[in-house]
Amino acid sequence: GDSVTQMEGPVTLSEEAFLTINCTYTATGYPSLFWYVQYPGEGLQLLLKATKADDKGSNKGFEATYRKETTSFHLEKGSVQVSDSAVYFCALRGVAGANSKLTFGKGITLSVRP
Amino acid sequence: EPEVTQTPSHQVTQMGQEVILRCVPISNHLYFYWYRQILGQKVEFLVSFYNNEISEKSEIFDDQFSVERPDGSNFTLKIRSTKLEDSAMYFCASSDQTGRPEAFFGQGTRLTVV
Repeated sequence: GDSVTQMEGPVTLSEEAFLTINCTYTATGYPSLFWYVQYPGEGLQLLLKATKADDKGSNKGFEATYRKETTSFHLEKGSVQVSDSAVYFCALRGVAGANSKLTFGKGITLSVRP
Repeated sequence: EPEVTQTPSHQVTQMGQEVILRCVPISNHLYFYWYRQILGQKVEFLVSFYNNEISEKSEIFDDQFSVERPDGSNFTLKIRSTKLEDSAMYFCASSDQTGRPEAFFGQGTRLTVV
């Protein structure tokens, strides 16, 4: 079945540092890929998405590129802020149906210190 | 901006009691989901619902769980006889029928079974 693997956390960075959070997936065909973010005390918010190979999703300075050859969707940001402190989840939606379930990775906690 | 709303935000219940978690999906969405997140673990799919019937469910979604769309706006998850291991954050989500693959999540209901 479909699966998503995220790098182990937590991650602690200083403000303005470069961020990379690794995500790889296992799925048949061409799933849609997502990053969701969960700020403290809040629900899951869609951060960015990509629906086909080589697509780059971007939002709020974050970027991730859909790499079919490496089955990866790594999240990057050039300069993190304290307000980026949150839990980040990589997820995929398989090709089984247009609105089939999302499969999530374990999530990784990012803490950014001033 | 339209959003998914969930009530209550926190529910404490005694083991063996029935609970109903409520959700109001985004108004023009047709696909509805419940997910749960046990503390410190990944977000897990429970069930998806479309056209007034379950379209997919996970192994977690056993006979003690049920879902219902009692009217045109609410979507509920009922747990008939709660167990300690049902303690988790429960997220409702919805998605539309336009082909966009992302789902939109509510803030979650934290269920504590004592």
